[in-house]
Amino acid sequence: SYVLTQPPSVSVAPGKTARITCGGNNVGSKSVHWYQQKPGQAPVLVIYHDSDRASGIPERFSGSNSGNTATLTISRVEAGDEADYSCQVWDGSSDHRVFGTGTKVTVL
Amino acid sequence: QVQLVESGGGVVQPGRSLRLSCAVSGFTFRSYAMHWVRQAPGKGLEWVAVISYDGSNKNHADPVKGRFTISRDNSKNTLYLEMNSLRTEDTAVYYCARDRHTPPDGVMDVWGKGTTVTVSS
Repeated sequence: SYVLTQPPSVSVAPGKTARITCGGNNVGSKSVHWYQQKPGQAPVLVIYHDSDRASGIPERFSGSNSGNTATLTISRVEAGDEADYSCQVWDGSSDHRVFGTGTKVTVL
Repeated sequence: QVQLVESGGGVVQPGRSLRLSCAVSGFTFRSYAMHWVRQAPGKGLEWVAVISYDGSNKNHADPVKGRFTISRDNSKNTLYLEMNSLRTEDTAVYYCARDRHTPPDGVMDVWGKGTTVTVSS
């Protein structure tokens, strides 16, 4: 089955840039989506189709996807961005949806 | 507004069954594919199952295949997950989520708040 690997944690100072990676075999050929989840809350769609921002998501959030790595970039990080972030794809070979292992973003 | 409300969770013994429901409002339910996604305590998100807008196509993740069944009743605007032969590793918060586009594009744009299932003797 298809596997998406994310770093367990990323730490960033306020105002700086956070980059969260999502690695998978030739993930650049798939469409990657990103979700934000704060403690005790349901996930929220942030980025879809690699780089499209979901409704209400600030321009500080952007995405890219190429080769074996997709990346979610958060610019000018704020305290409110502290959350878990998960990538997700649709694996066409199995017709299954696959989530990444998740990354906890900590704002220092 | 668009709303998904899960129910039916609880504490159940291993080997027993449980049925989860997801009541939908604020959009045309019969036009959208729907998903179940779960999250074990302290773990990441795990996709469980998907059903097409009319219920004619279903797909289940390998860990639940043969034990769980996704279904829907478009006349009641409700999504279901029938869970049989439950195992301790099925303990999780279960979320229902809408697929963003028709035809589905695999993007889950609306989520419920989840219902907790605990499998324990």
